[in-house]
Amino acid sequence: NAGVTQTPKFQVLKTGQSMTLQCAQDMNHNSMYWYRQDPGMGLRLIYYSASEGTTDKGEVPNGYNVSRLNKREFSLRLESAAPSQTSVYFCASSEALYEQYFGPGTRLTVT
Amino acid sequence: EDKVVQSPLSLVVHEGDTVTLNCSYEVTNFRSLLWYKQEKKAPTFLFMLTSSGIEKKSGRLSSILDKKELFSILNITATQTGDSAIYLCGHAGGTSYGKLTFGQGTILTVHP
Repeated sequence: NAGVTQTPKFQVLKTGQSMTLQCAQDMNHNSMYWYRQDPGMGLRLIYYSASEGTTDKGEVPNGYNVSRLNKREFSLRLESAAPSQTSVYFCASSEALYEQYFGPGTRLTVT
Repeated sequence: EDKVVQSPLSLVVHEGDTVTLNCSYEVTNFRSLLWYKQEKKAPTFLFMLTSSGIEKKSGRLSSILDKKELFSILNITATQTGDSAIYLCGHAGGTSYGKLTFGQGTILTVHP
């Protein structure tokens, strides 16, 4: 039982490049989330998926897209990376109103 | 717009001290308030609070919620160096089911 897994762990991109961050959970949770964490800003929600087949914008969605591929997987795509997207990205999953379980994070640097 | 504010933003103490971390919130539709501890990597769950006045306890950590005054506190007694971490408070509610709004976090440093 791996919980929430994320790939890659680290990534360096040049401005304008694109990439997809992958997330998978094996806890059969309905809801999945993408956050970014910057120093002094806590965790800010980018997008979330309350259930398979639905996605909604969070607090900071600009510059990102998401796909809920199936119940297990939720990916985050940066179409044209910008230095302002340098951050640590966390994926999380939960069952309804219960606690969210977080993945180990992806450290992304955009130069 | 839902808002969560934590204080202090950082705190430095010595082993054995007791600390109190604060979390205040403004929400449109309260469901629950959650506390997480974040060391080097992913946040790990500590407590979920839904009812006022009922203390949740786990070892040296405890937390309580005041829904009238819209705040929660996290207490850590007899701190140890292993308690050094970022402590995050998040509110679940508003119009979006399950969505968490987090505060900025409190960075706790415990010196030997």
